[in-house]
Amino acid sequence: QQQVKQSPQSLIVQKGGISIINCAYENTAFDYFPWYQQFPGKGPALLIAIRPDVSEKKEGRFTISFNKSAKQFSLHIMDSQPGDSATYFCAAFSGSRLTFGEGTQLTVNP
Amino acid sequence: GAVVSQHPSWVICKSGTSVKIECRSLDFQATTMFWYRQFPKQSLMLMATSNEGSKATYEQGVEKDKFLINHASLTLSTLTVTSAHPEDSSFYICSAPQGTQETQYFGPGTRLLVL
Repeated sequence: QQQVKQSPQSLIVQKGGISIINCAYENTAFDYFPWYQQFPGKGPALLIAIRPDVSEKKEGRFTISFNKSAKQFSLHIMDSQPGDSATYFCAAFSGSRLTFGEGTQLTVNP
Repeated sequence: GAVVSQHPSWVICKSGTSVKIECRSLDFQATTMFWYRQFPKQSLMLMATSNEGSKATYEQGVEKDKFLINHASLTLSTLTVTSAHPEDSSFYICSAPQGTQETQYFGPGTRLLVL
């Protein structure tokens, strides 16, 4: 019930392409869905977040799409850059805790 | 965004010794902080919730006597790994919410290596 499933595990994209990472959840008590970006040896950094009453949120090159009926949400990175190469985690919040997906290692080739 | 710091950034210790890791919220107060552990190429696993002025809440399977948490002030939480063993080697990360509970900001992490 508390799990968040994330795919793919790894993703390779060419510079300028679109990176898409998907997450799915079961627990309908989740009410906040952030995405975090983590570089090697660093802590996660909050990238963008969405609430379930919104179907899409865009901030710069990053967009979250949210499908409440399917209990799925995804991160789209437009015009991907080599500097975007990192591990991305989706997460879901309920009560006082965050539950993280397994992570996606994104590599953007120049 | 809010800034959370951790100290030290990395530590190497001998098996059987204790190690203390500090987590500070630099520009805001946090009555609650969270401690996570992350093994290489894995996700973050919540270990415990640190509460200012009261006992920490530990996740199932986390030994409270081994991982001592103290939330001494509104800007400082400490995690002490007691009698550390090689299997405790990991990346320990804290977070603190600012504003609403769901908006959590993470520290830079502390890499612990137990020899």
